Amino acid sequence: SAVISQKPSRDICQRGTSLTIQCQVDSQVTMMFWYRQQPGQSLTLIATANQGSEATYESGFVIDKFPISRPNLTFSTLTVSNMSPEDSSIYLCSVAPSGNTIYFGEGSWLTVV
Amino acid sequence: TQLLEQSPQFLSIQEGENLTVYCNSSSVFSSLQWYRQEPGEGPVLLVTVVTGGEVKKLKRLTFQFGDARKDSSLHITAAQPGDTGLYLCAGGSGKLTFGQGTILTVHP
Repeated sequence: SAVISQKPSRDICQRGTSLTIQCQVDSQVTMMFWYRQQPGQSLTLIATANQGSEATYESGFVIDKFPISRPNLTFSTLTVSNMSPEDSSIYLCSVAPSGNTIYFGEGSWLTVV
Repeated sequence: TQLLEQSPQFLSIQEGENLTVYCNSSSVFSSLQWYRQEPGEGPVLLVTVVTGGEVKKLKRLTFQFGDARKDSSLHITAAQPGDTGLYLCAGGSGKLTFGQGTILTVHP
């Protein structure tokens, strides 16, 4: 298994500002992912955070809006840039320590006002 | 693009009733996972099914993976108010494709 810590757990931000979310895992993992869950909806994959190289973004998500860092095998950050109310969501970090089994952090609840 | 159709979207039942949630796709998945999410928390993994035809039981929850690995079901026997939550199926290995989710409410 894997224990995932996300910071902040909640935040209220002003539109136009940026917020960086941190994800810390208690063990080294090859694969780390960032998801978004908009209010009342399911989860959508934003990107795969690759250690030592640029993140791989899914359709509809771009690096300028969601820059990601992955400096080592236990840590990643996701920045939500130039926020608007439409960015109000839960942002979730996940890891796949053993291929088939995926674990999630508790999420970062972001409200943009 | 692999898609997962989850149904029903909403389910409101009385304590003690049985229920089944379905997850269907036209694509084959190497594995499929079921999660439960409560308000204010991240998804919690319930089970991973890998082999076609596989059946796994977790107390009152029974999970089945279709023979062709394109569909799965979650059956809850004698539902309790504590089962209330959002149930999500997700397919894939690493990068997950999620179903739309089923919001289950069990009334005492």
